Amino acid sequence: DIVMTQTPLSAPVTLGQPASISCRSSQNLVHHNGNTYLNWLHQRPGQPPRLLIYEISNRFSGVPDRFSGSGAGTEFTLKISRVEAEDVGIYYCMQATQFPRTFGQGTRLEIK
Amino acid sequence: EVQLLESGGDLVQPGGSLRLSCAASGFSFRSYAMSWVRQAPGKGLEWVSGINEVGGTYYADSVKGRFIISRDTSLNMLYLQMNSLRAEDTAVYYCAKDYPKVEGSAPLFDYWGQGTPVTVSS
Repeated sequence: DIVMTQTPLSAPVTLGQPASISCRSSQNLVHHNGNTYLNWLHQRPGQPPRLLIYEISNRFSGVPDRFSGSGAGTEFTLKISRVEAEDVGIYYCMQATQFPRTFGQGTRLEIK
Repeated sequence: EVQLLESGGDLVQPGGSLRLSCAASGFSFRSYAMSWVRQAPGKGLEWVSGINEVGGTYYADSVKGRFIISRDTSLNMLYLQMNSLRAEDTAVYYCAKDYPKVEGSAPLFDYWGQGTPVTVSS
């Protein structure tokens, strides 16, 4: 199974400041079709997860452009250019390149 | 509008069984693989099981041999039959769109249901 490791696990951030979360996979996530199925999800308390970024760097419909994703192979990063109050919650990276799908432990973003 | 609506969650005793359902609408259900993902109280996300568009199935080791995923494309329904339930199966269970039949035509895990809670306790 592919292990997904996120850092940090907790990210206190000041409103208006940038934030960055890293995700490392134990195996290369390039699929045999050439795509890399690395997603970033956001979850608020009591809510289901919501897709933010798919295939490393593509923002899903309706996601603000302050969110960006980057990386390749086994190293990936989610960046928020200027954190807003609504961005609090837990962020997960996940791989859907192979079964079983696996998730990172989650990173809790909170406002200082 | 894509909608996924889970149901069937309940309180069940250890060793018991439960069947979860997920009603899908707003997209071509038969053209997508689907997955179940769960979240234990206060914990992270754990993928449980998946089924592709032709009925091929996949399971996490933690549920293999106990859970059965299935789908009814005529009804746009996804199911999860859970047997021999254990306390550690206690979680909110989400269904989610997985990969499309036509590769590259849609993001994976772009839509999730609201979840249905399962509690395994005596």
